[in-house]
Amino acid sequence: AQSVAQPEDQVNVAEGNPLTVKCTYSVSGNPYLFWYVQYPNRGLQFLLKYITGDNLVKGSYGFEAEFNKSQTSFHLKKPSALVSDSALYFCAVRDGGSYIPTFGRGTSLIVHP
Amino acid sequence: DSGVTQTPKHLITATGQRVTLRCSPRSGDLSVYWYQQSLDQGLQFLIQYYNGEERAKGNILERFSAQQFPDLHSELNLSSLELGDSALYFCASSPGRVREDYGYTFGSGTRLTVV
Repeated sequence: AQSVAQPEDQVNVAEGNPLTVKCTYSVSGNPYLFWYVQYPNRGLQFLLKYITGDNLVKGSYGFEAEFNKSQTSFHLKKPSALVSDSALYFCAVRDGGSYIPTFGRGTSLIVHP
Repeated sequence: DSGVTQTPKHLITATGQRVTLRCSPRSGDLSVYWYQQSLDQGLQFLIQYYNGEERAKGNILERFSAQQFPDLHSELNLSSLELGDSALYFCASSPGRVREDYGYTFGSGTRLTVV
């Protein structure tokens, strides 16, 4: 079985400050982890993925995510937030035996000017 | 433009009716996935087709059905509609290789409102 949790419904951060959007997961084998972003009235856009290798993964728009196996976490980070980063962020996970990832419920990121 | 095309963008219909949502995958992608997004349930996987064949099934109601045609476009049919079926319906596509290490490409969705 696979599951993912995004413990925060909303994250507020000031422009220019670092941001973190949290994600924890549960899988029976090795995890395949993904982050997506959804802007209003748009579909989800792929940001980055972790399959294997370096625990720090770099993705689109300056985002990165850190895989922590011991804490079963895959938090999304950005050193300096922009107002245009305001959107809904989804974490997704699947294990090696599944074709279909499970998505979290999403975290609304609000970046204040 | 993500390359995944969904039509219509908006649909308003009455309870008990039947509707068809259409999706054209990104060029070269063989797999199509359907998702339902609602405020209370989040993003729920419905069904996946790969090169015309059903590959995986999620939380899809018996009133719902889908198919993928030889040109790889897919249709999601929703019948006997209820108020609770109001949601955003997304289609996503991927290359469909056995090892799905790639992210999905999502369309912009169809917003269904049942009145």
